[in-house]
Amino acid sequence: QSVLTQPPSASGTPGQRVTISCSGSSSNIGSNTVNWYQQLPGTAPKLLIYSNYQRPSGVPDRLSGSKSGTSASLAISGLQYEDEADYYCAAWDDSLNGVAFGGGTKLTVL
Amino acid sequence: QVQLQQSGPGLVKPSQTLSLTCAISGDSVSSNSAAWNWIRQSPSRGLEWLGRTYYRSKWYNDYAVSVKSPITINPDTSKNQFSLRLISVTPEDTAVYYCAREGVTLVRGLIISSYGMDVWGQGTTVTVSS
Repeated sequence: QSVLTQPPSASGTPGQRVTISCSGSSSNIGSNTVNWYQQLPGTAPKLLIYSNYQRPSGVPDRLSGSKSGTSASLAISGLQYEDEADYYCAAWDDSLNGVAFGGGTKLTVL
Repeated sequence: QVQLQQSGPGLVKPSQTLSLTCAISGDSVSSNSAAWNWIRQSPSRGLEWLGRTYYRSKWYNDYAVSVKSPITINPDTSKNQFSLRLISVTPEDTAVYYCAREGVTLVRGLIISSYGMDVWGQGTTVTVSS
């Protein structure tokens, strides 16, 4: 079991808005920032969101992140077929003294 | 731009040592604003952070407590690279291994802010089998 909990799957149709949740605890999300990664099949993860809601250059603004208490969310609006991928949340965990990853959410664009 | 190039064997026998190297271009392993991480991924355990090394007047390391095999991550300033060693591996250590750069703010050797792992290596599939 992963330290951070994500739904195993999510889906939407093109143009829709989809939200992926990430639930943690006071030792990780509750006291540290959250990052989100996208992983396409056969490739390394790519940083999408850092420090809860910041986007690296090149990441479109239809992707957004938020955090409240011990939970975080990634929202993708204007869903596109190219968004079909696995998405992971991550945060430092003070109890583990290490980075905790979520189990990943497979996003399907119908 | 910053690039990470991984190298190392794809097959390791049980009880032997797994060694991987990550060569850095476009940045320095001694950077005061980066930490250098190793992560692995397997179907059974998902993404698993292994540890990191970083420099602020001296070298620091953080290691995952969940990894059963003894682990070391070492910088090599002469070659601008860093390495991963897992000692006495078992089939459980079979995974795709990645190196990654993490943007950080360091104060007196303590990482007070992290900006995520923004550059990743290409990944190395390592199988532990006799």
